[in-house]
Order: sequence, then C-alpha cells, then structure tokens
Amino acid sequence: QVQLVESGGGVVQPGRSLRLSCVVSGFPFSTYGMHWVRQAPGKGLEWVAVIWNDGSQRYYVESVKGRFTISRDNSKDTVYLQMNSLRVEDTAVYYCARWGFFGDIDYWGQGTLVTVSS
Amino acid sequence: DVVMTQSPLSLPVTLGQAASISCRSSKSVAHNNGDTNVNWFHQRPGQSPRRLIYRVSHRYSGVPDRFSGSGSGTDFTLKISRVEAEDVGIYYCMQGAGWPWTFGQGTKVEIK
Repeated sequence: QVQLVESGGGVVQPGRSLRLSCVVSGFPFSTYGMHWVRQAPGKGLEWVAVIWNDGSQRYYVESVKGRFTISRDNSKDTVYLQMNSLRVEDTAVYYCARWGFFGDIDYWGQGTLVTVSS
Repeated sequence: DVVMTQSPLSLPVTLGQAASISCRSSKSVAHNNGDTNVNWFHQRPGQSPRRLIYRVSHRYSGVPDRFSGSGSGTDFTLKISRVEAEDVGIYYCMQGAGWPWTFGQGTKVEIK
C-alpha cells in the first residue's frame, strides 16, 4: 500500500537550518509530483511547495521563497525539504503528500514536527 | 493568490442529521482545460488529513456515499447526508488550480 514517511523534524533555533526527508513506498515514485504541506499548532493547513515528478519544476508559497528548497532523489524514492533561515513562524507539523492525477493531493504522510525556538 | 473561504467555521450537528459546509473561492478555480480542481479533506484530531472528494464532486474509493461534493465557478459545498460519530473533526477545502495551492480555514464538525 502507499506509504509516505517523514523524518528530520526537531527543535532548532531561529536562523538555523533543517532538512526534512520523506521516503515513499507502494507506488512508482518517479511518476508522481510531490508536495510539502504544513500545519502550525492549532491552525489550519498551509501548502508549502511542490516538485514535478522529474524535478523539472518547483513552486513555493511566498513566505518560504528563497529560504526553503524542495528536491527529490528518484533513485531513493525520497523527497526533501531543505529549510534555511528558519523563523519562529515556521513552527509546524510538516506533511509530505502525493500529487494525484486529478489535480489533487491523494495521500499524506504522518507528519514531522519542526519547532523553531530560542 | 486564490483565497478559499469556508463557512461555517464551527458546525455542531446531531447524529443522523445532515450537515453542509460552504467553500467560496476569491476567483474562478476552473482550469483552462475545463477541470475544476477543488478538493475536500477530513482531519481527525491527532491524525493526518484524509482525502474525501476531488474535482468538486468525485468521491475517492472507500469514502462513504453519505459524503457528496457539488458546486461550480467560485461556490462549492460538501454535504454529509447523515452524520455519524466518526465524522467529527475538521474539514478543509483546497484549490489546485493555480500556484500556490490554497486551503480554506477549516470547519470543525462536532456532535451536539
């Protein structure tokens, strides 16, 4: 079955960096685009970034442009989110999610918590 | 950016009764190809979101038929025909028509 497993979250000071990973299984990874979506504590969902199945295109929400980079390694069935210059407001559970064939998000990981605090 | 506005934000319902959630987009979310990528998700406390509806009205496999989606243009609706206890949680609409994709604020459904 389809599985997405995030890792790499933790507590980090403002201005520092963190890299999240999401390893997938149960489907041909190189066929699908992938998203990162985040949820601040007690808040709603916020789309963060997307990468095409072949890595050829990427888009970001304005608040992370220039600080976050989404990438993927199709040989490792893994998508990454490199987060630099972290801010307190980046504190959230970060979910990786699969871009379905209908302009949708059809599968979600369990999430990994990133806490930015001094 | 397309703003998705849900109402109500809180929805107390009686078991077995119907529930309806509205989602309005700040501009049309129809693709050039005619598809309208509005999706609905359900998130139970402490869990990841779960898919319910894609392209306005299509239920994913395994989603009970008491859930239905409708709408067009900028107005969309999720209906639950007879609420069951497992339906509590937060419901989100999302548009996938243009970047950035955006979610509604969420509607919290609880049992009266």
